Amino acid sequence: NAGVTQTPKFQVLKTGQSMTLQCAQDMNHEYMSWYRQDPGMGLRLIHYSVGAGITDQGEVPNGYNVSRSTTEDFPLRLLSAAPSQTSVYFCASSYKPLSYNSPLHFGNGTRLTVT
Amino acid sequence: KNEVEQSPQNLTAQEGEFITINCSYSVGISALHWLQQHPGGGIVSLFMLSSGKKKHGRLIATINIQEKHSSLHITASHPRDSAVYICAVGGGADGLTFGKGTHLIIQP
Repeated sequence: NAGVTQTPKFQVLKTGQSMTLQCAQDMNHEYMSWYRQDPGMGLRLIHYSVGAGITDQGEVPNGYNVSRSTTEDFPLRLLSAAPSQTSVYFCASSYKPLSYNSPLHFGNGTRLTVT
Repeated sequence: KNEVEQSPQNLTAQEGEFITINCSYSVGISALHWLQQHPGGGIVSLFMLSSGKKKHGRLIATINIQEKHSSLHITASHPRDSAVYICAVGGGADGLTFGKGTHLIIQP
């Protein structure tokens, strides 16, 4: 039981390049989400999904795409990287959408630098 | 949008001290989370609560729904408790609102 697995751990991109951050969970969780963490700010929600085939925007969705074709996987795509997307990205999942009995499980994070 | 304020932002204490970290929020919620982020970056969920008090080992979390306030206490603090402690509030599908975190250092 690996929990939430994020890859890669580190990535450097040039402005304008695209890439996909991978997130997979093996706990059969319905809810998956992506956050970014920037210095001096709290974690901010980028996109989330309440089940396969269903995604929605969070607080800071611009420049990012997601899809949820299976329960296990929730990749985050950067369409055309910009220096403002330099951040640490976390994927998180829970059994149900953040109800009282559903703690969040986080991946180990991806540190992305855009030059 | 809920506003979440944590205090203090930074806290340095000696081993063995009783630690209190506070969290206030502006809008009524269904649940409040306390998270721990270690220096390596990983984030772990410590508590989820919607009322009263929860205890796990040396950690205690309380919440006062009327006052929109929660506290995280660490008894008999230890250097391994050094981490960033994050309060997050909300519930439902549209995610949580996070505080900026409290940086805790416990010196031996």
